[in-house]
Amino acid sequence: DAKTTQPNSMESNEEEPVHLPCNHSTISGTDYIHWYRQLPSQGPEYVIHGLTSNVNNRMASLAIAEDRKSSTLILHRATLRDAAVYYCILRLGTYKYIFGTGTRLKVLA
Amino acid sequence: GAVVSQHPSWVICKSGTSVKIECRSLDFQATTMFWYRQFPKQSLMLMATSNEGSKATYEQGVEKDKFLINHASLTLSTLTVTSAHPEDSSFYICSARDRRGGGLNQPQHFGDGTRLSIL
Repeated sequence: DAKTTQPNSMESNEEEPVHLPCNHSTISGTDYIHWYRQLPSQGPEYVIHGLTSNVNNRMASLAIAEDRKSSTLILHRATLRDAAVYYCILRLGTYKYIFGTGTRLKVLA
Repeated sequence: GAVVSQHPSWVICKSGTSVKIECRSLDFQATTMFWYRQFPKQSLMLMATSNEGSKATYEQGVEKDKFLINHASLTLSTLTVTSAHPEDSSFYICSARDRRGGGLNQPQHFGDGTRLSIL
């Protein structure tokens, strides 16, 4: 199965942009890339997803490499409420979602 | 919108007890629901996928007789941990995918999880 690799932790200053990387070198052509974030003792919250093209929504942007072997989640202005564990996930086929180990983002005031 | 309610949020019970966890999509219909397990400081592990009206598909290593999943309607799935033992203690999280547009390009919406502690 394809899997994702993320740094264990990252830090950012408040109000600054954050780029969270994810490697998925074994991704296949039909695997969607999803990003979720999780606060302690809560279920994950959807952030963004894409297949090939870059995607923007009100929460973040997703930049997907041309060869699709990596992607970057971009938070344009980090706030304290953005501190969470961010998961880069591959959706394999219709039903199978493979969670990576996640990046713990710390936002400094 | 897209709210998933999971109940109960916390369960403490004796070894040998069976525990049922409910997962409801409150404002959308979900053809597909997912059940995950998460140990402290670890990532989520998919246990099973359930489609409304059919049997659940379990991931390798997950005992189907131990973790009974029922998905009787488009808004409700249940996970029953049968004869629970201390090693079953974990954080169980469900998610649901909106059926609109065929569901494939819809994100999962997660419940807030159930913390199960078996004494």
